[in-house]
Amino acid sequence: KAGVTQTPRYLIKTRGQQVTLSCSPISGHRSVSWYQQTPGQGLQFLFEYFSETQRNKGNFPGRFSGRQFSNSRSEMNVSTLELGDSALYLCASSLGRDQGYYSTDTQYFGPGTRLTVL
Amino acid sequence: AQSVSQHNHHVILSEAASLELGCNYSYGGTVNLFWYVQYPGQHLQLLLKYFSGDPLVKGIKGFEAEFIKSKFSFNLRKPSVQWSDTAEYFCAVIPPGSNYQLIWGAGTKLIIKP
Repeated sequence: KAGVTQTPRYLIKTRGQQVTLSCSPISGHRSVSWYQQTPGQGLQFLFEYFSETQRNKGNFPGRFSGRQFSNSRSEMNVSTLELGDSALYLCASSLGRDQGYYSTDTQYFGPGTRLTVL
Repeated sequence: AQSVSQHNHHVILSEAASLELGCNYSYGGTVNLFWYVQYPGQHLQLLLKYFSGDPLVKGIKGFEAEFIKSKFSFNLRKPSVQWSDTAEYFCAVIPPGSNYQLIWGAGTKLIIKP
């Protein structure tokens, strides 16, 4: 079974631009989560999508948004880029079974998109 | 603030040494616990996970972790490390009520000297 794929792998943008990152989950996985990884802040949760709906959201400004399509592929958009947005953006997929209070799903990660903002 | 703590940011060991990496969390209630590994140039991979049952969890590549509820800990262990274990190790927690949101420790960079 193919793993989680992310495109592009590397991006260089300038301040003020916007960027769209793409994530294709493992076949059959309906949940996609996005994380930002930086040397200073480590790994931080951005948001999670399930069945085209944002189900969970971290503490990031509204410049960070996402969406999920009917085939479970997801995109993440960052508008008005800032230097501090330079990071590795990771996507993870899981079955997304709704456990109500907490999930026993395991998340599988893609290789990430390395975004550099100049 | 509630968090996940990994006490050692850098660990250097010789091959065949025993390994223990600490992980503590500050959430009450039922938590799901994970250890992920990131080898140089590779993506995050799941080493092992704990949801319920036997608190001693065995993972891939000879790793194991023990969940001690009273200590809010989930330490990772390996009796004899190899050079190929050089990587960054992350502890992560899904706190109660947060469903799919993984909260991460800062990571421990492990270097194994051949």
